[in-house]
Amino acid sequence: VLTQSPGTLSLSPGERATLSCRTSQTVYSTYLAWYQQKPGQAPRLLIYGVSNRASGIPDRFSGSGSGTDFTLTISRLEPEDFAVYYCQQFGSSLDTYTFGQGTKLEIK
Amino acid sequence: QVQLVQSGAEVKKPGASVKISCKASGYTFSRNAIHWVRQAPGQRLEWMGWISGGNGFTMYSRKFEDRVTITRDTSATTVHMDLSSLRSEDTAAYYCARGGDRGFDYWGQGTLVSVSS
Repeated sequence: VLTQSPGTLSLSPGERATLSCRTSQTVYSTYLAWYQQKPGQAPRLLIYGVSNRASGIPDRFSGSGSGTDFTLTISRLEPEDFAVYYCQQFGSSLDTYTFGQGTKLEIK
Repeated sequence: QVQLVQSGAEVKKPGASVKISCKASGYTFSRNAIHWVRQAPGQRLEWMGWISGGNGFTMYSRKFEDRVTITRDTSATTVHMDLSSLRSEDTAAYYCARGGDRGFDYWGQGTLVSVSS
Protein backbone atom coordinates (compact mmCIF):
# COMPACT_ATOMS: atom_id res chain seq x y z
CA VAL A 1 0.00 0.00 0.00
CA LEU A 2 1.24 3.45 -0.90
CA THR A 3 0.00 6.48 1.01
CA GLN A 4 0.63 9.94 -0.36
CA SER A 5 0.35 13.16 1.60
CA PRO A 6 -1.01 15.70 1.58
CA GLY A 7 -4.05 14.96 -0.52
CA THR A 8 -4.06 18.54 -1.79
CA LEU A 9 -1.27 21.08 -1.62
CA SER A 10 -2.02 24.76 -2.29
CA LEU A 11 1.00 26.85 -3.17
CA SER A 12 1.98 29.82 -5.28
CA PRO A 13 4.34 29.92 -8.26
CA GLY A 14 7.91 30.31 -7.08
CA GLU A 15 7.33 28.39 -3.85
CA ARG A 16 8.81 25.03 -2.93
CA ALA A 17 6.63 21.91 -2.97
CA THR A 18 7.30 18.82 -0.90
CA LEU A 19 5.20 15.73 -1.61
CA SER A 20 5.37 12.57 0.48
CA CYS A 21 4.90 8.89 -0.34
CA ARG A 22 4.93 6.25 2.37
CA THR A 23 4.95 2.53 1.63
CA SER A 24 3.78 -0.27 3.88
CA GLN A 25 6.81 -2.39 3.03
CA THR A 26 10.45 -1.58 2.43
CA VAL A 27 11.00 -0.71 -1.21
CA TYR A 28 14.04 -1.63 -3.23
CA SER A 29 15.37 1.73 -4.43
CA THR A 30 15.15 0.73 -8.06
CA TYR A 31 11.44 0.36 -7.76
CA LEU A 32 10.07 3.76 -6.75
CA ALA A 33 8.89 6.26 -9.35
CA TRP A 34 6.95 9.50 -9.56
CA TYR A 35 4.54 10.64 -12.29
CA GLN A 36 2.81 13.90 -13.14
CA GLN A 37 -0.68 13.93 -14.62
CA LYS A 38 -2.57 16.91 -15.98
CA PRO A 39 -6.33 16.86 -16.67
CA GLY A 40 -7.23 14.88 -19.76
CA GLN A 41 -3.67 13.70 -20.29
CA ALA A 42 -1.72 10.52 -19.75
CA PRO A 43 0.73 10.44 -16.86
CA ARG A 44 4.32 11.48 -17.47
CA LEU A 45 7.32 9.85 -15.82
CA LEU A 46 9.27 12.34 -13.71
CA ILE A 47 11.52 10.33 -11.41
CA TYR A 48 12.63 6.69 -11.42
CA GLY A 49 14.80 4.72 -9.03
CA VAL A 50 13.85 7.16 -6.23
CA SER A 51 16.06 10.02 -7.38
CA ASN A 52 16.78 9.83 -11.11
CA ARG A 53 15.12 12.36 -13.38
CA ALA A 54 13.57 10.96 -16.53
CA SER A 55 14.62 12.31 -19.89
CA GLY A 56 13.65 15.95 -20.41
CA ILE A 57 12.55 16.59 -16.82
CA PRO A 58 13.73 19.97 -15.45
CA ASP A 59 16.18 19.94 -12.58
CA ARG A 60 13.73 21.73 -10.28
CA PHE A 61 12.22 18.24 -9.80
CA SER A 62 14.07 15.97 -7.40
CA GLY A 63 13.34 12.74 -5.58
CA SER A 64 14.75 11.38 -2.36
CA GLY A 65 14.14 8.85 0.38
CA SER A 66 14.73 5.25 1.31
CA GLY A 67 13.08 2.32 3.04
CA THR A 68 9.44 3.28 3.40
CA ASP A 69 9.51 7.09 3.11
CA PHE A 70 10.01 8.96 -0.14
CA THR A 71 9.75 12.58 -1.20
CA LEU A 72 9.25 14.48 -4.42
CA THR A 73 10.46 18.07 -4.23
CA ILE A 74 9.80 20.83 -6.72
CA SER A 75 12.23 23.58 -5.85
CA ARG A 76 10.49 26.57 -7.46
CA LEU A 77 7.01 26.03 -8.81
CA GLU A 78 6.28 27.05 -12.37
CA PRO A 79 2.67 27.55 -13.58
CA GLU A 80 2.85 24.32 -15.60
CA ASP A 81 3.71 22.27 -12.48
CA PHE A 82 0.21 22.43 -11.06
CA ALA A 83 -1.11 18.92 -11.58
CA VAL A 84 -1.67 15.61 -9.79
CA TYR A 85 1.41 13.63 -8.75
CA TYR A 86 1.51 9.89 -8.19
CA CYS A 87 4.18 7.69 -6.68
CA GLN A 88 4.52 4.11 -7.84
CA GLN A 89 6.10 1.06 -6.31
CA PHE A 90 7.17 -2.03 -8.25
CA GLY A 91 7.21 -5.47 -6.72
CA SER A 92 10.62 -7.10 -6.83
CA SER A 93 9.16 -10.04 -8.73
CA LEU A 94 7.55 -7.65 -11.22
CA ASP A 95 4.08 -8.86 -10.39
CA THR A 96 2.74 -5.71 -8.74
CA TYR A 97 2.93 -2.07 -9.74
CA THR A 98 1.05 -0.09 -7.14
CA PHE A 99 0.22 3.60 -7.40
CA GLY A 100 -0.49 5.96 -4.54
CA GLN A 101 -3.76 7.85 -4.41
CA GLY A 102 -2.13 11.02 -5.69
CA THR A 103 -1.39 14.53 -4.44
CA LYS A 104 -3.13 17.39 -6.18
CA LEU A 105 -0.90 20.43 -6.41
CA GLU A 106 -3.09 23.49 -6.91
CA ILE A 107 -2.47 27.18 -7.30
CA LYS A 108 -3.06 29.16 -4.14
CA GLN B 1 10.65 8.95 -31.39
CA VAL B 2 8.82 6.46 -29.25
CA GLN B 3 5.07 6.49 -29.73
CA LEU B 4 2.22 4.41 -28.38
CA VAL B 5 -1.04 4.99 -30.24
CA GLN B 6 -4.22 3.46 -28.86
CA SER B 7 -7.51 2.59 -30.49
CA GLY B 8 -10.57 4.75 -30.10
CA ALA B 9 -13.25 5.11 -27.46
CA GLU B 10 -15.65 2.25 -26.82
CA VAL B 11 -19.19 2.05 -25.47
CA LYS B 12 -20.22 -1.35 -24.15
CA LYS B 13 -23.11 -2.96 -22.32
CA PRO B 14 -22.67 -4.82 -19.04
CA GLY B 15 -21.48 -8.37 -19.57
CA ALA B 16 -19.78 -7.60 -22.87
CA SER B 17 -16.06 -7.62 -23.64
CA VAL B 18 -13.82 -4.89 -24.95
CA LYS B 19 -10.55 -5.16 -26.86
CA ILE B 20 -8.19 -2.19 -26.97
CA SER B 21 -5.07 -1.98 -29.10
CA CYS B 22 -1.79 -0.17 -28.60
CA LYS B 23 0.48 0.34 -31.61
CA ALA B 24 4.13 0.84 -30.67
CA SER B 25 6.75 2.53 -32.83
CA GLY B 26 10.11 4.25 -32.60
CA TYR B 27 11.94 1.56 -30.65
CA THR B 28 12.76 -2.15 -30.80
CA PHE B 29 9.47 -3.75 -29.80
CA SER B 30 11.04 -6.89 -28.34
CA ARG B 31 13.15 -5.00 -25.82
CA ASN B 32 10.38 -3.71 -23.59
CA ALA B 33 7.23 -4.81 -21.89
CA ILE B 34 3.93 -3.07 -22.46
CA HIS B 35 1.76 -2.46 -19.41
CA TRP B 36 -1.90 -1.59 -19.10
CA VAL B 37 -3.11 0.89 -16.52
CA ARG B 38 -6.62 2.17 -16.02
CA GLN B 39 -8.10 5.19 -14.29
CA ALA B 40 -11.75 5.47 -13.34
CA PRO B 41 -13.14 9.02 -13.20
CA GLY B 42 -11.53 10.91 -10.32
CA GLN B 43 -9.66 7.82 -9.13
CA ARG B 44 -6.05 6.71 -8.85
CA LEU B 45 -4.11 4.87 -11.50
CA GLU B 46 -4.59 1.11 -11.34
CA TRP B 47 -2.16 -1.38 -12.88
CA MET B 48 -3.75 -4.28 -14.75
CA GLY B 49 -0.95 -6.34 -16.25
CA TRP B 50 1.95 -6.51 -18.69
CA ILE B 51 3.26 -8.47 -21.61
CA SER B 52 6.84 -8.96 -22.70
CA GLY B 53 7.49 -7.64 -26.18
CA GLY B 54 10.14 -10.31 -26.56
CA ASN B 55 8.70 -13.67 -25.54
CA GLY B 56 5.05 -12.81 -24.91
CA PHE B 57 5.18 -13.66 -21.22
CA THR B 58 2.31 -12.10 -19.34
CA MET B 59 1.68 -11.09 -15.74
CA TYR B 60 -1.68 -9.88 -14.47
CA SER B 61 -2.88 -8.09 -11.40
CA ARG B 62 -4.76 -10.46 -9.13
CA LYS B 63 -7.74 -8.12 -9.31
CA PHE B 64 -8.10 -8.65 -13.05
CA GLU B 65 -6.48 -12.02 -13.75
CA ASP B 66 -9.77 -13.82 -14.34
CA ARG B 67 -11.07 -11.19 -16.79
CA VAL B 68 -8.10 -9.72 -18.65
CA THR B 69 -6.02 -11.12 -21.49
CA ILE B 70 -3.07 -9.27 -22.99
CA THR B 71 -1.65 -10.41 -26.32
CA ARG B 72 0.85 -9.09 -28.81
CA ASP B 73 1.36 -9.13 -32.55
CA THR B 74 5.08 -8.74 -33.10
CA SER B 75 4.80 -8.23 -36.84
CA ALA B 76 2.46 -5.29 -36.24
CA THR B 77 4.25 -4.15 -33.05
CA THR B 78 0.83 -3.97 -31.46
CA VAL B 79 -0.42 -5.07 -28.09
CA HIS B 80 -4.04 -5.87 -27.35
CA MET B 81 -5.86 -5.86 -24.04
CA ASP B 82 -9.11 -7.77 -23.75
CA LEU B 83 -11.34 -7.21 -20.71
CA SER B 84 -14.40 -9.43 -20.33
CA SER B 85 -17.57 -9.47 -18.24
CA LEU B 86 -17.72 -5.70 -18.18
CA ARG B 87 -19.59 -3.89 -15.45
CA SER B 88 -20.28 -0.23 -14.78
CA GLU B 89 -17.26 0.00 -12.50
CA ASP B 90 -15.04 -0.72 -15.51
CA THR B 91 -15.89 2.68 -16.98
CA ALA B 92 -12.46 4.28 -17.15
CA ALA B 93 -9.64 5.56 -19.28
CA TYR B 94 -7.32 2.71 -20.22
CA TYR B 95 -3.67 3.43 -20.94
CA CYS B 96 -0.85 1.37 -22.36
CA ALA B 97 2.64 2.26 -21.23
CA ARG B 98 6.13 1.09 -22.09
CA GLY B 99 7.83 -0.56 -19.17
CA GLY B 100 11.42 -1.01 -18.21
CA ASP B 101 13.72 -0.68 -15.25
CA ARG B 102 13.05 3.07 -15.31
CA GLY B 103 9.33 2.75 -14.81
CA PHE B 104 6.68 3.52 -17.37
CA ASP B 105 8.52 5.95 -19.60
CA TYR B 106 6.10 6.35 -22.53
CA TRP B 107 2.33 6.24 -22.45
CA GLY B 108 -0.43 5.97 -24.97
CA GLN B 109 -3.01 8.71 -25.23
CA GLY B 110 -5.64 6.67 -23.43
CA THR B 111 -8.83 4.93 -24.53
CA LEU B 112 -12.10 5.78 -22.83
CA VAL B 113 -14.34 2.79 -22.18
CA SER B 114 -17.90 3.47 -21.07
CA VAL B 115 -20.03 0.63 -19.72
CA SER B 116 -23.72 1.34 -19.51
CA SER B 117 -26.98 -0.42 -20.12
